[in-house]
Amino acid sequence: KQEVTQIPAALSVPEGENLVLNCSFTDSAIYNLQWFRQDPGKGLTSLLLIQSSQREQTSGRLNASLDKSSGRSTLYIAASQPGDSATYLCAVISGNTPLVFGKGTRLSVIA
Amino acid sequence: DAGITQSPRHKVTETGTPVTLRCHQTENHRYMYWYRQDPGHGLRLIHYSYGVKDTDKGEVSDGYSVSRSKTEDFLLTLESATSSQTSVYFCATLGDSQETQYFGPGTRLLVL
Repeated sequence: KQEVTQIPAALSVPEGENLVLNCSFTDSAIYNLQWFRQDPGKGLTSLLLIQSSQREQTSGRLNASLDKSSGRSTLYIAASQPGDSATYLCAVISGNTPLVFGKGTRLSVIA
Repeated sequence: DAGITQSPRHKVTETGTPVTLRCHQTENHRYMYWYRQDPGHGLRLIHYSYGVKDTDKGEVSDGYSVSRSKTEDFLLTLESATSSQTSVYFCATLGDSQETQYFGPGTRLLVL
């Protein structure tokens, strides 16, 4: 059974700092991995999707990497801003099974 | 956001009453999902559908049923609501390319 773990559970940083969020998964036979953002009381917004054959994806100040063999992914946020404050969720698809989510990292960027 | 709407957005009901939540999508996506989100548990899959009239159970399906009679609609029914089903319910879709999964805005359900 696939399990996804995100560390840390919560993170508080000053504005402008670069930061890394971590995601690990137990079964390396994944189809793809997605990073989502969730604002309080809102739904999930997809940030980046990495196919199993890819090593990383970039969108603006965000960069996600994938190391399938070690079962890990990182989300790098450059020059953090207060607007980046949200919960970030990692999820994987393995074969025909639907997305399995981690419990998220709650990020606070302090102005 | 793949044009996903959920109704109702908020509902308060009493233990033992039936409740139906509706998810509607406009993108003709094949796959549809129902998740619940609870503090300390994250998002957990209740049921999913891979086509009209084709559904399967997820991780936490007990006490829930689903129906999909049209591509665009996926209904989640709590046959007899219990307080443990108080949660935020999210609907999601996935297209045939099986890439990005899109989520609806959620339904907050309180069972008293």
